[in-house]
Amino acid sequence: EVQLVQSGGEVKKPGESLKISCEGSGYGFINYWIAWVRQRPGKGLEWMGIVYPDDYDTRYSPSFQGQVTMSADKSISTAYLQWSSLKASDTAVYYCARQRGYRSESGDFYAYYVDVWGKGTTVTVSS
Amino acid sequence: QSVLTQPPSASGTPGQRVTISCSGSSSNIGSKSVNWYQQFPGTAPKLLIYTNSERPSGVPDRFSGSKSGTSASLAISGLQSEDEAEYYCEAWDDSLNGVVFGGGTKLTVL
Repeated sequence: EVQLVQSGGEVKKPGESLKISCEGSGYGFINYWIAWVRQRPGKGLEWMGIVYPDDYDTRYSPSFQGQVTMSADKSISTAYLQWSSLKASDTAVYYCARQRGYRSESGDFYAYYVDVWGKGTTVTVSS
Repeated sequence: QSVLTQPPSASGTPGQRVTISCSGSSSNIGSKSVNWYQQFPGTAPKLLIYTNSERPSGVPDRFSGSKSGTSASLAISGLQSEDEAEYYCEAWDDSLNGVVFGGGTKLTVL
């Protein structure tokens, strides 16, 4: 069974750092992009960016560039999303997802769709 | 303000046919495929329709998608109480160089 298993919920204070994880199983982890999607309380879905586990290529949505860091460790089939200094506005559920997409020889990326989702990691930032 | 525009709510009675619209522009829906996701409260989204009108295995054929110009639609026929959920459209945007979502439509089965 294809699965993305995310790390547990976190409660942090503003200014603290955090790294959450997403472990893939049941498929060739290195061959698919992993996307991160934010959902603030009561709000819609926001695509944050992607990482390609095979060569660690990362692409960020302009809204999230410089705000978070995406990475992966292909030896343990795990992708990560991290913050160096959390804000209250980072309070949200964060989903990792298997992103179908195409990267051209020139390096341009174009997403097709997300076909597998993790259950989400709830991050609460409060003083 | 989402790049793709959906009505915030929709409703129907059991057995009815309901459509949910998604409006975009030439940089997203006008030139790229549209996907739809279904989300129940407290759970992760699920892929419902991809590449405008394709259904993943396991999705009932009551669900269908279409696209015309810079707009797309999700249709649900033979509405059932279990269809009550939030529905999101999504597409790649060439100008933003990223994926954009609609704001979501909450479907209520009366």
